Amino acid sequence: NAGVMQNPRHLVRRRGQEARLRCSPMKGHSHVYWYRQLPEEGLKFMVYLQKENIIDESGMPKERFSAEFPKEGPSILRIQQVVRGDSAAYFCASSLRGMNTEAFFGQGTRLTVV
Amino acid sequence: GIQVEQSPPDLILQEGANSTLRCNFSDSVNNLQWFHQNPWGQLINLFYIPSGTKQNGRLSATTVATERYSLLYISSSQTTDSGVYFCAPGDGTSGSRLTFGEGTQLTVNP
Repeated sequence: NAGVMQNPRHLVRRRGQEARLRCSPMKGHSHVYWYRQLPEEGLKFMVYLQKENIIDESGMPKERFSAEFPKEGPSILRIQQVVRGDSAAYFCASSLRGMNTEAFFGQGTRLTVV
Repeated sequence: GIQVEQSPPDLILQEGANSTLRCNFSDSVNNLQWFHQNPWGQLINLFYIPSGTKQNGRLSATTVATERYSLLYISSSQTTDSGVYFCAPGDGTSGSRLTFGEGTQLTVNP
């Protein structure tokens, strides 16, 4: 039973390009969460999704960031027109029945904007 | 939202020593997890412990939800225990997220 899979592990983008980060939850999990970790800091919540629905996006920046979790396929976190401040590790987690059940994290995608 | 405070922020131990990490939180919780982030950045689940006590090998954890704190005990520490330990309670109101503390940076020297 594979864990949460994120790809790519490392992503380098030039300023102004788009970044697409993918997350496949654990088998049977339909709840997905995205977190961002800046260097030397803890993880900050961004967005919570269930299949085809955004449940809570209160941690998402208002511009340039979007997330989806389609009926088929992985969850995608999309960052348009990246800036240097977007450089961070982005982690995805999944759980079976929401955040009152145990969450499991992927290995993260380390985004570097040059 | 819920506030999370972890202590100490940094801890240096000699191999074989024991330690206790503390997590205080400001609101009622329906969920609390402890994670270890290793030097390669991976987040490893240690405990899912909204209340009570659990043990797993050299590690154990206790959450006293009514008093809004949780403790992580590490016994006979090893160099592989080095890394950052995060406490993450689940917001009791919305239940839709884990809120991470700033972590305890643990260094175990041989």
